[in-house]
Amino acid sequence: DIQMTQSPSTLSASVGDRVTITCRASQNIYNWLAWYQQKPGKVPDLLIYDATSLKTGVPSRFSGSGSGTEFSLTISSLQADDFATYYCHQYYDYPATFGGGSKVEIK
Amino acid sequence: EVQLVQSGAEVKKPGESLKISCKAAGYNFLSSWIAWVRQEPGKGLEWLGIVYPAGSDTRYNPSFQGQISISADRSITTAYLQWNSLKASDTAMYYCARRVGSAPYYYMDVWGRGTMVTVSS
Repeated sequence: DIQMTQSPSTLSASVGDRVTITCRASQNIYNWLAWYQQKPGKVPDLLIYDATSLKTGVPSRFSGSGSGTEFSLTISSLQADDFATYYCHQYYDYPATFGGGSKVEIK
Repeated sequence: EVQLVQSGAEVKKPGESLKISCKAAGYNFLSSWIAWVRQEPGKGLEWLGIVYPAGSDTRYNPSFQGQISISADRSITTAYLQWNSLKASDTAMYYCARRVGSAPYYYMDVWGRGTMVTVSS
């Protein structure tokens, strides 16, 4: 299985901060990576697919970058609605796998 | 609007069987794989497997193969996740999700609201 390692596992930040979460794959997954946001008690919500493509309707403060084995999700100016847990997800190979999650908390 | 409507919460005893459902609406059910994802309380996401409703093809995460069964009934646009003998460790929220993308690389774009399965004696 392809292992997905996210860092940090927890991040404390303030509204307006620039936040970056990284995701490392144990082997080359090209650009076949998605990012999901999950709020407590809610369903995971797709933000980014194919590593850099923003889902329609997702605010432009979210962006994805990277290819191969190193990826990142950046929130350019953190808003109150962004406090949540973020998961990366590779869909290059079976079984598809997720990172362990990065929780963005209020500082 | 694309919707995946999942069946309600279940409370079962160890050893019992269970089949939960995911009814699709708002798109061509036959054209997209459906995935099942598990989330144990307070934990991360785990990919269980997928079904292609048009041909009922399935693929399983080897970690779960033999423990679950995934199927689809295209006549009622519904996918299923089934257990023959539940264990306490199956206690989790189970999500279905539609897979889209560029073959053969598919991500999950729309998710059901989840079915909470509790297994306790």
